[in-house]
Amino acid sequence: GQNIDQPTEMTATEGAIVQINCTYQTSGFNGLFWYQQHAGEAPTFLSYNVLDGLEEKGRFSSFLSRSKGYSYLLLKELQMKDSASYLCAVMDSNYQLIWGAGTKLIIKP
Amino acid sequence: IAGITQAPTSQILAAGRRMTLRCTQDMRHNAMYWYRQDLGLGLRLIHYSNTAGTTGKGEVPDGYSVSRANTDDFPLTLASAVPSQTSVYFCASSEGQGANEQFFGPGTRLTVL
Repeated sequence: GQNIDQPTEMTATEGAIVQINCTYQTSGFNGLFWYQQHAGEAPTFLSYNVLDGLEEKGRFSSFLSRSKGYSYLLLKELQMKDSASYLCAVMDSNYQLIWGAGTKLIIKP
Repeated sequence: IAGITQAPTSQILAAGRRMTLRCTQDMRHNAMYWYRQDLGLGLRLIHYSNTAGTTGKGEVPDGYSVSRANTDDFPLTLASAVPSQTSVYFCASSEGQGANEQFFGPGTRLTVL
């Protein structure tokens, strides 16, 4: 079957760095996405990786290792507004997104 | 309007009733999707449409139907609602099938009693 695993919840301190991991087993691979979802709101796109390596976009970076079925999202200089759920999703061989349950990130002052 | 709109924002529905959730996008995206989101579970694809006039089944299509008469609209119908369909429903769109960012509507919170 297809499976996306990520931690249920993480806590970090304002100004610090946090890494949210995602492992996946899917039928085919056409890229990995990270989305941010604030409570009660819609998911919004953060990043897309299809090749191995690190993609950096401001305070956020995303890493992919296809051979290990592994990705992480790195958030630097954490701000209170970064408190949200972070969703990992893999596009499978049918070009459909398979979603993880999300990681709720709590930022403490 | 800009982006994707959904209606209603929330709804309480008696079991057995018919309900249509509306979704409209103004980005001229070819592909549209319906997901449900339940606590502790990832988003699950109900139905999708890669282009106007075509639809396909996702992971959890039973009890739901869709139509895509034009590019902008993609309504989701529950023919006879059951309590297990209580969920938050998100409509999304992308330029095309494949490795494209999906844009999400604000969601519809549906409670079936």
